Amino acid sequence: DAKTTQPPSMDCAEGRAANLPCNHSTISGNEYVYWYRQIHSQGPQYIIHGLKNNETNEMASLIITEDRKSSTLILPHATLRDTAVYYCIVRVGGGNQGGKLIFGQGTELSVKP
Amino acid sequence: GAVVSQHPSRVICKSGTSVKIECRSLDFQATTMFWYRQFPKQSLMLMATSNEGSKATYEQGVEKDKFLINHASLTLSTLTVTSAHPEDSSFYICSASSVTGELFFGEGSRLTVL
Repeated sequence: DAKTTQPPSMDCAEGRAANLPCNHSTISGNEYVYWYRQIHSQGPQYIIHGLKNNETNEMASLIITEDRKSSTLILPHATLRDTAVYYCIVRVGGGNQGGKLIFGQGTELSVKP
Repeated sequence: GAVVSQHPSRVICKSGTSVKIECRSLDFQATTMFWYRQFPKQSLMLMATSNEGSKATYEQGVEKDKFLINHASLTLSTLTVTSAHPEDSSFYICSASSVTGELFFGEGSRLTVL
């Protein structure tokens, strides 16, 4: 079973920051949090991942709480092309070099003009 | 970035036939590959994990004789849906893990069984 829970849907205005929350209260000490997104009928696209420190790349920022029980993905300036289903995933069984991704239900983000 | 290619992207077959889907890592060696299926408006469900040269590990509830997985080389894994039936119609997606643990997904293969 997936170790994450996310709101099923969110809306965001174009140009504004999109903040997508995720709860993973049963996460273990060496399990990483990954974020992927999926646009209809395509394979998932990698966004970012982290263990306990906040992370930032060209796509997004990942904020992980100190107790690691939740995290937030931030898209700083959402565009219409960011409309997708966003999956928060805890990689289980092998840290960051092994382990598998068990997908939860994800959050369907709609960016509106 | 690394690319994972699936072939075919779409396939239609008659009930009772077998269908093979290929997953290739194009510019890296994939020590582990994963196979998922996805029904409309649902999330991805992990079917099995395959390591090069060894038998695949199937998730609970996935029939290993129905979904044959072969990982014969570090760049190729295949999923064969045997004696396909309409309920096997789905979107099948593979992902490949590099030696450093990065995970890349293919674009998916849509199977329709008539």
